Amino acid sequence: DTGVSQDPRHKITKRGQNVTFRCDPISEHNRLYWYRQTLGQGPEFLTYFQNEAQLEKSRLLSDRFSAERPKGSFSTLEIQRTEQGDSAMYLCASSLDTFVAEQYFGPGTRLTVT
Amino acid sequence: AQRVTQPEKLLSVFKGAPVELKCNYSYSGSPELFWYVQYSRQRLQLLLRHISRESIKGFTADLNKGETSFHLKKPFAQEEDSAMYYCALSGMNRDDKIIFGKGTRLHILP
Repeated sequence: DTGVSQDPRHKITKRGQNVTFRCDPISEHNRLYWYRQTLGQGPEFLTYFQNEAQLEKSRLLSDRFSAERPKGSFSTLEIQRTEQGDSAMYLCASSLDTFVAEQYFGPGTRLTVT
Repeated sequence: AQRVTQPEKLLSVFKGAPVELKCNYSYSGSPELFWYVQYSRQRLQLLLRHISRESIKGFTADLNKGETSFHLKKPFAQEEDSAMYYCALSGMNRDDKIIFGKGTRLHILP
């Protein structure tokens, strides 16, 4: 296992288009997190999953955003009708389901909305 | 409100000099504190956490509850320490998410 992977690494899209990102966590990790990072900011929590259940969503996650983890393994994050303000690095992390477990981060997907 | 403040965007330190990256937090309760690091072209990774009380790559961090600080220190900077450093906190419940600061870029001068 080479760690958390994300695909694609870069995505350029036009405003109004839909985009979908994929995250593959470390195989034995049952928790999966999505973060967004904009220039000059630290990662901001978006949502997280315990197995296939989405347990928390940030108010940053507008109605245009949806995340799934259908079989408790990989996850997808979809953004509908993208806006220029959605341009950011989208990070995925995974962890074991233990007390304050260490989160392991993927390389991120950089989204540019033109 | 839960918040992590890193007052310095950029810190330049000469090689061999001591390093201190500042971090202050606001949290109603007893948080767990972390330092994450991102080296050039690498992914974000955990450097150290308060609960472990470890020294990693010569770095240490002490939690000061009175001053609500968790500053990162190293007595002698090395060029390979140049990176982006993020202070972060989490609650002590299993479901608590991590809140990150804005980060400090550490630049080690030769």
